[in-house]
Amino acid sequence: DGGITQSPKYLFRKEGQNVTLSCEQNLNHDAMYWYRQDPGQGLRLIYYSQIVNDFQKGDIAEGYSVSREKKESFPLTVTSAQKNPTAFYLCASSDFPVQYFGPGTRLTVL
Amino acid sequence: GNSVTQMEGPVTLSEEAFLTINCTYTATGYPSLFWYVQYPGEGLQLLLKATKADDKGSNKGFEATYRKETTSFHLEKGSVQVSDSAVYFCALSEGSSYKLIFGSGTRLLVRP
Repeated sequence: DGGITQSPKYLFRKEGQNVTLSCEQNLNHDAMYWYRQDPGQGLRLIYYSQIVNDFQKGDIAEGYSVSREKKESFPLTVTSAQKNPTAFYLCASSDFPVQYFGPGTRLTVL
Repeated sequence: GNSVTQMEGPVTLSEEAFLTINCTYTATGYPSLFWYVQYPGEGLQLLLKATKADDKGSNKGFEATYRKETTSFHLEKGSVQVSDSAVYFCALSEGSSYKLIFGSGTRLLVRP
């Protein structure tokens, strides 16, 4: 089955800890994205990557970091510098112009 | 800059009612337009798309027509079902960066 997987589905973190969210795709897409969604809100772009070993900041990149070492993988690290990290995080990949989304990871900071 | 405006929800309908969710956009050039649907606790699923003016996207009984003259892409369905209850997002593609600009979403609740 082709698709996008995100793990874990639920993640709990203590304040001051970094945490990494996984995103993997087997659709052979070049472009990948990370979004943040807060309750009752739309999606805000954190980072995106159009090709391996290259990525750009989105609208709310502060407190987050990414890497793109492989075409299939685009992990997102939520650092302790992110002031309010509790949210639903969505990963997507693109067969231009359409984006396809993973099931999401719900991060809760305790 | 580019933007998408959707009607605020929630929209509450009875089963078999007609649905319209309004979406208007501001963009330079000729973006592609999309409707995505999100069920509770899940990611977004592409519902339909249109890539040029006057195109009509359709899927699962939903339709939307790309109207350049009114910069609109309203979502319609002739007869909604309880299973259509979800949040619907309108979006446009932004140039060669492969980025999407999303509206704020409209929650639809269909009552039996």
